[in-house]
Amino acid sequence: QILLVQSGAEVKQPGASVRVSCKASGYTFTSYGISWVRQAPGEGLEWMGWISTYSADIKYAQKFQGRVTMTTDISTSTAYMELRSLRSDDTAVYYCARDRTYYVDPWGQGTLVTVSS
Amino acid sequence: EIVMTQTPLSLSVTPGQPASISCKSGQSLLHSDGRTHLYWYVQKPGQPPQFLIYEVSNRFLGVPDRFSGSGSGTDFTLKISRVEAEDVGVYFCMQSVQPYTFGQGTKLEI
Repeated sequence: QILLVQSGAEVKQPGASVRVSCKASGYTFTSYGISWVRQAPGEGLEWMGWISTYSADIKYAQKFQGRVTMTTDISTSTAYMELRSLRSDDTAVYYCARDRTYYVDPWGQGTLVTVSS
Repeated sequence: EIVMTQTPLSLSVTPGQPASISCKSGQSLLHSDGRTHLYWYVQKPGQPPQFLIYEVSNRFLGVPDRFSGSGSGTDFTLKISRVEAEDVGVYFCMQSVQPYTFGQGTKLEI
């Protein structure tokens, strides 16, 4: 069974950073990249970026350039997404998903990040 | 960025009746590889999105045949021939000819 298990909910103050982890199992981690998608409360889905697990390639959505860093740890089949300079409108559920080049599946269970003073 | 526009944004359907969701893209989703990169997901309450249909009309593994997709170019439709209670959720279309963008979602209620 292919699973992506994400780290738990976080509460952060404005200006802080958050790092979300995504541990993959049930498939060869280095065969597919990982995309990150977020969903603000009551809103739609927003792609944040993609990281290769088999090369140095990374692509960030323009909106997040300079504020997001995606990394992987091949030894533990884990992907990470760090978002800096958090604002209240970064409050959202953050998902990782296995990237199949033209679509993503499956998705992690999601990590709620709340930004509040 | 390719804008994806879904209609309606909400839909209330009696079990056993059909449902239809439209998705329009800001530009053609026909890729140079000859495939049209339009995908459908459903997000059931409290869950992450689940994959439904790939490349316009192909059902993913395990998706019931009451779900069907159609369309070409910039206009696409997801149809449920006979809605069941378990179909409740928010349906999203997604394109991938450029960096992924999603429709706003259509909430299906019974």
